[in-house]
Amino acid sequence: KAGVTQTPRYLIKTRGQQVTLSCSPISGHRSVSWYQQTPGQGLQFLFEYFSETQRNKGNFPGRFSGRQFSNSRSEMNVSTLELGDSALYLCASSWTIAGVYNEQFFGPGTRLTVL
Amino acid sequence: AQKITQTQPGMFVQEKEAVTLDCTYDTSDPSYGLFWYKQPSSGEMIFLIYQGSYDQQNATEGRYSLNFQKARKSANLVISASQLGDSAMYFCAMREMEYGNKLVFGAGTILRVKS
Repeated sequence: KAGVTQTPRYLIKTRGQQVTLSCSPISGHRSVSWYQQTPGQGLQFLFEYFSETQRNKGNFPGRFSGRQFSNSRSEMNVSTLELGDSALYLCASSWTIAGVYNEQFFGPGTRLTVL
Repeated sequence: AQKITQTQPGMFVQEKEAVTLDCTYDTSDPSYGLFWYKQPSSGEMIFLIYQGSYDQQNATEGRYSLNFQKARKSANLVISASQLGDSAMYFCAMREMEYGNKLVFGAGTILRVKS
């Protein structure tokens, strides 16, 4: 089974631009979560999608948004980029059984640099 | 208050010896899960082991075991017979039923295995 894939792997943007990151979960996984990892703040939860619905959202400004498609693929968008948005963005997928989540499997991440 | 605390920023261990990485957590949710992930320098998060709050036995997965002490709210990871490839960052994480599939991570512990 293929793992979680994320594209692109590396991205360089300038302040004020917007960016879209993509995540394809493991086949059969309907839950997709996004995390931001920075040296200063560590790993922080952004949001989780399940069956195209956002189920949970972390404490991030509205510039961070996401969506999930019917095939469970997910995208996250960051508008009006700031220098502090430079980070490794990790996507994770998990499957559920009878409403119970199993462990999250992570993709390789997208490293975003904002200049 | 920090939900997950990893007090050891860095650890050294001799190859073939066992090492314990500490993790304490804070929650009032009776239903929660504890996870350990490994992050090599490549950046990808690798799932190691899971312990549910209602599990009676400590979890084990190969060379990894979780020393779960519920009353102390600790979930230490024990790696037996350390290998050079174990050198990485290790994260403890918690998922509370109240927050669905959201993982809260500790700051991590860098483990270096010496030959």
